[in-house]
Amino acid sequence: VVLTQSPLSLPVTLGQSASISCRSSQGLVHSDGNTYLSWFQQRPGHSPRRLIYKVSKRDSGVPDRFSGSGSGSDFTLKISRVEAEDVGVYYCMQGTHLPPWTFGQGTKMEIQ
Amino acid sequence: QVHVVESGGGVVQPGGSLRLSCVVTGLYFNTYGMHWFRQAPGKGLEWVAFIEYHGNTYYYIDSVKGRFTVSRDNSESTLFLQMDSLRAEDTATYYCVPNHYDGGYYDGYWGQGTPVTVFS
Repeated sequence: VVLTQSPLSLPVTLGQSASISCRSSQGLVHSDGNTYLSWFQQRPGHSPRRLIYKVSKRDSGVPDRFSGSGSGSDFTLKISRVEAEDVGVYYCMQGTHLPPWTFGQGTKMEIQ
Repeated sequence: QVHVVESGGGVVQPGGSLRLSCVVTGLYFNTYGMHWFRQAPGKGLEWVAFIEYHGNTYYYIDSVKGRFTVSRDNSESTLFLQMDSLRAEDTATYYCVPNHYDGGYYDGYWGQGTPVTVFS
C-alpha cells in the first residue's frame, strides 16, 4: 500500500490552521471494521510521536488542536491555531494491509 | 506511563552483526505486539519488523528478510533485533514501538532510539 501525502512542504502562520492530506492506493478498512490510519509528529531533533490512531482518536496528552478525519482511502490531519512547537515533520502510516506497515513521505511544516 | 529504552547500536563494518535490545515498562508487555522501525539520516520513517505478543508470528520488510531476526522475552519485558550481514543501507536510528491501539494512558511517544552505523 502506497501512502501519498500532500503538500510535502507546508508554511503556516502562527495562530492559523493547517491541513495535511494522506491518500492511500487502497482502501484502509480492515476486516475487523477498523481503519488503521495513524499520524505521527517528529519535531526537529526529537524522536517521533504518534498523535492520532484509527483515523481520529487522539493519543493521551495530545492537544485537541490536532484532529484526524477521513475514510476509505482519503485522510486529513488538521492542526488548528498553529503554535511554534508544532513545527516539524508529519507522517501518516497505515496498519491495515500487512505486511508491511507503510508510511507517507512526510510533510515538513514550518512557520512562515 | 509507557517507557521504552533501546540499546545495542553502534558502528560495525559491512557484513557484521549487532543485537539490539529494548526494555519496555508501564505496559503489559506480554499482551502487545511490538515493532522495530528505523530512520536513516535525513530520511523518513520505515517499518522493519513486527512480532506478535506471543512471539510465534513475525514479519519483516523484504530488504532485511533472512538477515534480521526479531524475538522477545516476555518475562523480562524485552524486545530484541538480531542484525546479521549488515549493509550500508541499514545505517539508521532504530526504534522499538508497541502496537498499541487501545487508547487510555498511552501517549504515543517513542524512545530515544539506538543508532546503527554500517561503515567501512
